[in-house]
Amino acid sequence: DAKTTQPPSMDCAEGRAANLPCNHSTISGNEYVYWYRQIHSQGPQYIIHGLKNNETNEMASLIITEDRKSSTLILPHATLRDTAVYYCIVRVAFGIGNEKLTFGTGTRLTIIP
Amino acid sequence: SQTIHQWPATLVQPVGSPLSLECTVEGTSNPNLYWYRQAAGRGLQLLFYSVGIGQISSEVPQNLSASRPQDRQFILSSKKLLLSDSGFYLCAWRSGQGSSPLHFGNGTRLTVT
Repeated sequence: DAKTTQPPSMDCAEGRAANLPCNHSTISGNEYVYWYRQIHSQGPQYIIHGLKNNETNEMASLIITEDRKSSTLILPHATLRDTAVYYCIVRVAFGIGNEKLTFGTGTRLTIIP
Repeated sequence: SQTIHQWPATLVQPVGSPLSLECTVEGTSNPNLYWYRQAAGRGLQLLFYSVGIGQISSEVPQNLSASRPQDRQFILSSKKLLLSDSGFYLCAWRSGQGSSPLHFGNGTRLTVT
């Protein structure tokens, strides 16, 4: 799996958009970008994933640069419940014999009231 | 929509006692099921995964075993717990198709005393 680099921490005002960057300069053509978040003492929560096109769902948007070497997760209207550690993971699609998942250091996002 | 249930949320067990953690998934059929253990911090260790009833793959030989008696039920067991079995255990599922992501339960915090 490609290595990812995320800022260790970020703050965002409640109601504003939170933009979380992730660098993955060694990403391979068949590797996806997955985003998860984890609130203390809870299981990781899947947010969104993509290959090369921008993606949007009810939780967030994922913007992947054209060269795919970096991406940004956007939470459009951050709430206090979005305070969590956010993990950017780059890997090939899961499959038999390829089921391992590794979290890096992540970004601790704090939403400020 | 699909949901995953994992219980109990917390468990304190003495060394040498048996263990049974249960996980069930609703709203999907024939999911791939997983047991992970998360170390302090972020590291996820894949313990077992299953692509069908009665089919269990073990990633790390240790004091634990897994079973899948029904399509959407996954059980993690031990006959005799060790102190080193303490940790945060996560059940997860995915649809097994394409780039579908893992979806995690809320975890079980196991403390072996």
